[in-house]
Amino acid sequence: DTGVSQDPRHKITKRGQNVTFRCDPISEHNRLYWYRQTLGQGPEFLTYFQNEAQLEKSRLLSDRFSAERPKGSFSTLEIQRTEQGDSAMYLCASSLDFSGTSIKNTEAFFGQGTRLTVV
Amino acid sequence: AQKITQTQPGMFVQEKEAVTLDCTYDTSDPSYGLFWYKQPSSGEMIFLIYQGSYDQQNATEGRYSLNFQKARKSANLVISASQLGDSAMYFCAMRGYFGNEKLTFGTGTRLTIIP
Repeated sequence: DTGVSQDPRHKITKRGQNVTFRCDPISEHNRLYWYRQTLGQGPEFLTYFQNEAQLEKSRLLSDRFSAERPKGSFSTLEIQRTEQGDSAMYLCASSLDFSGTSIKNTEAFFGQGTRLTVV
Repeated sequence: AQKITQTQPGMFVQEKEAVTLDCTYDTSDPSYGLFWYKQPSSGEMIFLIYQGSYDQQNATEGRYSLNFQKARKSANLVISASQLGDSAMYFCAMRGYFGNEKLTFGTGTRLTIIP
C-alpha cells in the first residue's frame, strides 16, 4: 500500500493526558498537511510542511498542539493536556510541490484519519 | 482569505439520475485550484476532480464533471448516472498558490442515492 497512512486509527484518552499521532505520507510527496474535522463539518486546516520546514500554522493550533516532520518524511502531531473539545478526526494529507512546473496533479491525498475521543 | 460555500446540507437523488452539487468560492488569489472530495462513512477523503483557475475547459473524470463558471465564482460538481455507491459526503475545496497553499474546505453536502 503506497497511500498515506495514519496511526493509530482510534485513540481514547482521559482529559489532561498527552497524545501523539503519526502520519506517513506518500513517499515522493514533499508537502504534508494536518487537518481536524469535527462531526458534520469540513476539515479545518491546522498546519503544513514542505519537506521538514513547517510553513504555516493555523490560529486554531493552540500552544498545546505541536507538529514535527523530522527529515522531511513522516510527521507527528502532539496534543498536550487534552481537553474534551479536542475530540475530532485528525486527518493527514500529502501532495507534490507544484512550484515552477505544472500545477496539475498536485491534489492532496488523505489518510484514513485518527479519531480522537477525550473522556 | 479564501472561502468555500456549499449551500446544500443534504440531497436525495434517485439512482441513475444526474445530480449537481453546488459550490461557490471567494478568493483574492489570481491563481487557484478547485477540488472536489468524496468522504464515505469510512472517513477517508477521496479525491474526485480538479479544476485550475486558468483552465479553458471544464474538467471531467469519468462520471464526474466540474461546471466551472469563473465570473460567477462557482464550481459545481455534476455526477452523471448516479449509483448507490455515490452516497457519501462531498466537499468542495480550493487552494491558492505561491504563498497561500493550504486547502480550504466547505461544510459539505450529504448525498443519498435512493434505489
